[in-house]
Amino acid sequence: EAGVAQSPRYKIIEKRQSVAFWCNPISGHATLYWYQQILGQGPKLLIQFQNNGVVDDSQLPKDRFSAERLKGVDSTLKIQPAKLEDSAVYLCASSLRGRNTGELFFGEGSRLTVL
Amino acid sequence: TQLLEQSPQFLSIQEGENLTVYCNSSSVFSSLQWYRQEPGEGPVLLVTVVTGGEVKKLKRLTFQFGDARKDSSLHITAAQPGDTGLYLCAGPPYFGNEKLTFGTGTRLTIIP
Repeated sequence: EAGVAQSPRYKIIEKRQSVAFWCNPISGHATLYWYQQILGQGPKLLIQFQNNGVVDDSQLPKDRFSAERLKGVDSTLKIQPAKLEDSAVYLCASSLRGRNTGELFFGEGSRLTVL
Repeated sequence: TQLLEQSPQFLSIQEGENLTVYCNSSSVFSSLQWYRQEPGEGPVLLVTVVTGGEVKKLKRLTFQFGDARKDSSLHITAAQPGDTGLYLCAGPPYFGNEKLTFGTGTRLTIIP
């Protein structure tokens, strides 16, 4: 079974530029998550989708971050304009269902460096 | 406010030694998960504990959920270099919530 796919693996941009990350979850997984992991810290949830609807985006900086999950399958996370503090690994995860005891399957992450 | 505090933040020990890492909160969790993350990869689930006082074993790893469901511990016996990684606990912030909140993490290094 294919895992969660993310791209690109690495991205270097200058501040005020824009960037987009793509995620394809495990087939059949209804719930998709985007987490931000700053070096040395635990992942922080940015947004959670159930199928193509947003369940939680309370920690998403909506003035610069946006995410969509068209057709309830793959998802795109965009940052525009980027700030230095956005340098982090952006992890996508999916789960079969959104229950709190469900296992999350993570992709390898997209590492963003903002100069 | 960080709901899940992990300690120690860093731990470096010799191969063969035993160790315990902790995950603490002032909030009650309906369940807690433990993940291990290796460099350049995403976290991988090790175990989920659901019942207060529950103990689960995974080979040399023993996980315990506190009786009051506010804390958890991970004990590793005879640590091996393959145990090296970032250990993360995670749980929903309150009953009925489906959002997983991750702890601050413990970075473990096992020296051969």
